Amino acid sequence: EAGVAQSPRYKIIEKRQSVAFWCNPISGHATLYWYQQILGQGPKLLIQFQNNGVVDDSQLPKDRFSAERLKGVDSTLKIQPAKLEDSAVYLCASSLERTGETQYFGPGTRLLVL
Amino acid sequence: GNSVTQMEGPVTLSEEAFLTINCTYTATGYPSLFWYVQYPGEGLQLLLKATKADDKGSNKGFEATYRKETTSFHLEKGSVQVSDSAVYFCALSETSGTYKYIFGTGTRLKVLA
Repeated sequence: EAGVAQSPRYKIIEKRQSVAFWCNPISGHATLYWYQQILGQGPKLLIQFQNNGVVDDSQLPKDRFSAERLKGVDSTLKIQPAKLEDSAVYLCASSLERTGETQYFGPGTRLLVL
Repeated sequence: GNSVTQMEGPVTLSEEAFLTINCTYTATGYPSLFWYVQYPGEGLQLLLKATKADDKGSNKGFEATYRKETTSFHLEKGSVQVSDSAVYFCALSETSGTYKYIFGTGTRLKVLA
């Protein structure tokens, strides 16, 4: 069974530029999560989708971050414009359902904002 | 709100030493508890989990017991190997709403040959 796929693996941009990350969850997984992991910290949930609907985006900085999961499968997370403090690893995870099920993580996208 | 507290690292051990990484939590209800491991350059991998009090999760020689009375889920391994060097994250799954995960800050383990 294929795992969670993410691309790109690494990205370097200058502040005020825009960037997009892509995630393809495990086949059949209804729930998809985007996390931000700042160096030395644990992952912090940015947004959670159930199929193509948002169930939690309370910690998403909506003035600059956006995410979509149009067909309930793959998802894109965008930052526009980027700030220095957005430098982090962006992790995508998926699970069968949202009721406390095990989450499976992708390898992450490491973003450096200069 | 809910939270997870882990012992700070790094933890440096010699091969075959005994490992304990402490994890305590604060939560309403009875959350599921998890240990994830992150190897260099990789995403998080589930190591083990427990879904109710007194459950013991185990995998690859690692164990953790869900202790409701002390709100703890300490990770242990009897004999570590160099290949166990990684960052270990304790997490809980909230018991209502979106059931989101709350992660600890992670503990880096370095095992020396």
